[in-house]
Amino acid sequence: DAGITQSPRHKVTETGTPVTLRCHQTENHRYMYWYRQDPGHGLRLIHYSYGVKDTDKGEVSDGYSVSRSKTEDFLLTLESATSSQTSVYFCAISEEGTPRLYEQYFGPGTRLTVT
Amino acid sequence: DQQVKQNSPSLSVQEGRISILNCDYTNSMFDYFLWYKKYPAEGPTFLISISSIKDKNEDGRFTVFLNKSAKHLSLHIVPSQPGDSAVYFCAASLAGTYKYIFGTGTRLKVLA
Repeated sequence: DAGITQSPRHKVTETGTPVTLRCHQTENHRYMYWYRQDPGHGLRLIHYSYGVKDTDKGEVSDGYSVSRSKTEDFLLTLESATSSQTSVYFCAISEEGTPRLYEQYFGPGTRLTVT
Repeated sequence: DQQVKQNSPSLSVQEGRISILNCDYTNSMFDYFLWYKKYPAEGPTFLISISSIKDKNEDGRFTVFLNKSAKHLSLHIVPSQPGDSAVYFCAASLAGTYKYIFGTGTRLKVLA
């Protein structure tokens, strides 16, 4: 199994509070991703990173920011959490070189509830 | 606008028979397609992939077929086993980007 951990695994927070989710990898993979999974939507890309300090937006990036100051860590921040951000969040990694670039390895997920 | 669609939310199959999971897409700029399996309370696990320049890829019991003219791909599992019971997601990679679009998933139940 790829070495990917996410913390916290579960979190309940109140509307309007800031929240940071952490993804940590031990694989030294270049690419890292944040997804959210919601019923009826599958997995949707929030942000991704293609290197230290190099990030870009996915399809549902509004209300989220990310940072990557080290290869192994990719942080997802909800500046002011809203109930619509209640979801399960997954981090994923992938490595360079076809086809390996296309094979993403996912972390165990973080269940976030915003009340 | 759902660019990757899995129109069957669920599928039940007898153990030992073939499972066929389907996926349709709308964007001609997808260059790679993947299938993932997901168990409850776990992250998705990569299963198999196919490049847009191919029409078939096999890996053990799993085969993915790509029909570019119909913008359709399918995953065949033969023979199906109870441990295959999970949610299956298809995903597509947009050429020239690192962006992936996932379908909504199909829940497969293999009956013993």
